[in-house]
Amino acid sequence: NAGVTQTPKFRILKIGQSMTLQCAQDMNHNYMYWYRQDPGMGLKLIYYSVGAGITDKGEVPNGYNVSRSTTEDFPLRLELAAPSQTSVYFCASTGRKGWETQYFGPGTRLLVL
Amino acid sequence: GESVGLHLPTLSVQEGDNSIINCAYSNSASDYFIWYKQESGKGPQFIIDIRSNMDKRQGQRVTVLLNKTVKHLSLQIAATQPGDSAVYFCAENSPKAAGNKLTFGGGTRVLVKP
Repeated sequence: NAGVTQTPKFRILKIGQSMTLQCAQDMNHNYMYWYRQDPGMGLKLIYYSVGAGITDKGEVPNGYNVSRSTTEDFPLRLELAAPSQTSVYFCASTGRKGWETQYFGPGTRLLVL
Repeated sequence: GESVGLHLPTLSVQEGDNSIINCAYSNSASDYFIWYKQESGKGPQFIIDIRSNMDKRQGQRVTVLLNKTVKHLSLQIAATQPGDSAVYFCAENSPKAAGNKLTFGGGTRVLVKP
């Protein structure tokens, strides 16, 4: 299994541009999550999904959108990029509710100039 | 590499010594706890977990201790090696948490001195 994969690894955006961060997992996990991590800080939850077709907001959802059309994929959309969205973005997944760790992808580093 | 850890509490340890990283949690309903290791430029990696019906669990060179009375979690690393240099996060999960979400601690940076 490849686990959780993310693309791209690094991207530079201009203010106002949009992009989609891709996340995929091959573990047949129902639960998927998007986090952002600013330098020197912990993880903040942006959005999460408990299954295909179901998404919900996390702690910091403003400026982002998600969709979950399949179990495997959970893309994160940035519309009208702002410098405040400069961060490292991590996708994670887990297979069941309770007593199981989340598995993280390698991250996407985003710089908005 | 990524600049994660610049403003985090730092634990400096001599190679070969034991490390102890502490974490306080706030939700008394949490019943599952995890320690993650994050190396520079990488995603968090699972180290060890513990359920609330236990107070100690051991892995390879790592031990997690849980004190539910004072809501405290610790990670002990035996014979710390240069490869242990990283940021360590604790996380907790409650059965009532919507979406099976984890609550993460702020992290501790471990620097291993040769």
